[in-house]
Order: sequence, then C-alpha cells, then structure tokens
Amino acid sequence: EAQVTQNPRYLITVTGKKLTVTCSQNMNHEYMSWYRQDPGLGLRQIYYSMNVEVTDKGDVPEGYKVSRKEKRNFPLILESPSPNQTSLYFCASREVGSGYTFGSGTRLTVV
Amino acid sequence: AQKITQTQPGMFVQEKEAVTLDCTYDTSDQSYGLFWYKQPSSGEMIFLIYQGSYDEQNATEGRYSLNFQKARKSANIVISASQLGDSAMYFCAMREGSRGGSTLGRLYFGRGTQLTVWP
Repeated sequence: EAQVTQNPRYLITVTGKKLTVTCSQNMNHEYMSWYRQDPGLGLRQIYYSMNVEVTDKGDVPEGYKVSRKEKRNFPLILESPSPNQTSLYFCASREVGSGYTFGSGTRLTVV
Repeated sequence: AQKITQTQPGMFVQEKEAVTLDCTYDTSDQSYGLFWYKQPSSGEMIFLIYQGSYDEQNATEGRYSLNFQKARKSANIVISASQLGDSAMYFCAMREGSRGGSTLGRLYFGRGTQLTVWP
C-alpha cells in the first residue's frame, strides 16, 4: 500500500530533550515536507526537500532540523524542544504531476 | 499577506443539502495548483479534489466539485448531498509553480473551515 508513515503518533517530552520524528514513504517520491498544525492557523510548512541532500526552509523553520540522506526518509529533529513546539505535525510527499500524500500525523506535547 | 484565505471559520448544513466552502488565493504565478483536504476529528488529512491553473474545466470528484474562477482567484468547493460523515475541518491549499525552483512543490494552506452537518 502506498503510504507515508510517521512515528511516533503521540509523544510527550520535556523541554530540552532532543527528539526525532521519523517519516518514511514507499512511493519513490522526490519531494517531501513537514508541516505543523496549530488551532486557528491551518498547516504551516517547516521544511521541505526536493530530493536527496536538498532541503530548504519553509515558513516556520526555527527550532527544527531535517535531513534527507536517502529518498524514502525525511526525519524531523528537535534539538532542544520548547513548549511552543507543542503541535500536530504532518509529513507529506509528492511526485511531480501528482497530489500530496500525508502521513497520519504526530501529536507532540512538550512540557 | 495570506496566500490562501478561507473566510468561513464554521459552516452548518443540513443533511442532503449542498454547501459551498469559500477559498481565495493570492499568487503571481501562471502555473499553480489548488487542493482541498478534509480533516476529520481523527486527524488525518484526506485529499478531496485538485484543480490546475491551466485546467479549462472545473474539477469534479464524486460529490465534490470545485468552482474555479481564475480572474477572481477563487476556488470554492461545493459538497452536494451532504452526509453526517462530511462533518470535519476543510482546508484549501495552493501549490505555486516554479520560480527558479525555489518554491516548486511548496504547499500553502488556509486556516480551515469547520463544517458541521446536522440531521
């Protein structure tokens, strides 16, 4: 089944403790991206990647890092999480000429 | 400036009736794509319908149709014969075309419209 898989689905962590949210797609898509969703703000793009080793900032990149060492994986790294990064996170992938496929989301709480 | 504007925070519709959710967009690109997604309370993002800027006909997918008015930069979605299961948050999104490759593939979302279908 074609899909984007995010892990974990739910995470509660403490301020300052580094964490990684994984994202993997099995559709050989070149484009991948991360979004955060906050009430009343819709989805805002954090980072995106056009291909392996090619990443760029979205609208809200502060406090996040990404890497794209292989085509299928695009992890989101929070080096020192803070409470204002409590949010619902989505990973998505896309091939040229096709729509976006979203993962199931990761609900992160930073206390 | 907002790339995507959804002016209706909430909409209510009776079952079996049609409802229109509004979306306006802002871009100077000639090539762009417009999407609608549904997000039920479970949280996943479900793709509904797509309209390309060069498509001459309005997109339709089952009970969903997109009223694309390019000159007005409007891309409203019409849901016909509403069902209770249509109750969800609906997002309009836009992918801009290539401008030196820097924005190719970026997807901008509106703030969403919460649709409630009542019996």
